[in-house]
Amino acid sequence: AQKVTQAQTEISVVEKEDVTLDCVYETRDTTYYLFWYKQPPSGELVFLIRRNSFDEQNEISGRYSWNFQKSTSSFNFTITASQVVDSAVYFCALSEVNTGNQFYFGTGTSLTVIP
Amino acid sequence: DVKVTQSSRYLVKRTGEKVFLECVQDMDHENMFWYRQDPGLGLRLIYFSYDVKMKEKGDIPEGYSVSREKKERFSLILESASTNQTSMYLCASRDRGLRNTEAFFGQGTRLTVV
Repeated sequence: AQKVTQAQTEISVVEKEDVTLDCVYETRDTTYYLFWYKQPPSGELVFLIRRNSFDEQNEISGRYSWNFQKSTSSFNFTITASQVVDSAVYFCALSEVNTGNQFYFGTGTSLTVIP
Repeated sequence: DVKVTQSSRYLVKRTGEKVFLECVQDMDHENMFWYRQDPGLGLRLIYFSYDVKMKEKGDIPEGYSVSREKKERFSLILESASTNQTSMYLCASRDRGLRNTEAFFGQGTRLTVV
């Protein structure tokens, strides 16, 4: 079973629009960690944020914000006032304490910001 | 800054060749990983290593092997390359000490098997 689901395969928005990338996860662990990565066209995955299962506070970093809701097993990512440089593939990932070292990645959402 | 370096950005190999993909990290991380990335499938774990000479199979180990003789280096080996192994390969490293640390990725190797 897929542990991390990113239902949106591709999204296109016009510059300055807000966009939300969805992530739904599945785990039986009570302690786990969630991550978002950005993969620009250059190919390297860039870490954006991590959250542990005990911290449901939403976080804002500049134009980026994250909404973690354990009740719906979701960890959504919003970009406000999108820019062309935000065009990339975004991955959500899960790391469970009991499986230690592994990351489980979603299939990614390709975001295109149109100027 | 943490640096994970993969030896090649692009490789073209022939079917049946033995292929080595090299990865080096400079942060003394215990854990290292090899992923394969294909359109619509995301990142799939091939193998990971949690210490020198230690390895664990991931989700898709068939057709691959790995080697970790030194802590900083993790090699992925395609024993006999096949066209269905054409893909983007990503190496990553992660500190073991804290479970919630992020993984750091290399720039990727795009392998084409002809």
